[in-house]
Amino acid sequence: AQRVTQPEKLLSVFKGAPVELKCNYSYSGSPELFWYVQYSRQRLQLLLRHISRESIKGFTADLNKGETSFHLKKPFAQEEDSAMYYCASTADRGSTLGRLYFGRGTQLTVWP
Amino acid sequence: DTGVSQNPRHKITKRGQNVTFRCDPISEHNRLYWYRQTLGQGPEFLTYFQNEAQLEKSRLLSDRFSAERPKGSFSTLEIQRTEQGDSAMYLCASSRVNTIYFGEGSWLTVV
Repeated sequence: AQRVTQPEKLLSVFKGAPVELKCNYSYSGSPELFWYVQYSRQRLQLLLRHISRESIKGFTADLNKGETSFHLKKPFAQEEDSAMYYCASTADRGSTLGRLYFGRGTQLTVWP
Repeated sequence: DTGVSQNPRHKITKRGQNVTFRCDPISEHNRLYWYRQTLGQGPEFLTYFQNEAQLEKSRLLSDRFSAERPKGSFSTLEIQRTEQGDSAMYLCASSRVNTIYFGEGSWLTVV
């Protein structure tokens, strides 16, 4: 089974500092990777997906197949970025939008 | 709010009782998913439907769990003979093409 690892349970940075949330996946095929975010008292929502190659709210994520990583980055963190971030993966590209495997999440806190 | 709707939002039940959760997906979304989330963990897949067909079930879905989507619209998740280990947030989600949208979840506490 696919396994998604987010090594940091908690991450704190000051406003304006760069931030990187790490994510590694176990499957070496061609899974589809996602980052989901959950702000306080809100539902889980999609932040970005690797095939879109887009930047959302200043966040980007690069898929590195060699390192099986999909780290989330933002050059200048803002207080409103404070939230729980989950990395998720399909088992393979053929499994798109079937089962998703989630990491345990990283709670990001951005201090003023 | 036209997002995924789940009811009830909170449920406290005694061990051994049966509980049922309902999920109303976003209109015209043909796929519907159930996930479970416990404290400190990410969501864990339980099952998903395409229209009324249940296409995949996780091994987490024991015989006490049953999910239905009889008309390809809303879905129910029933847990029979609840155990304390069933205490969790049960998340429903739906999709049509490329994005999965989650509901706010139903909290279950088994005492």
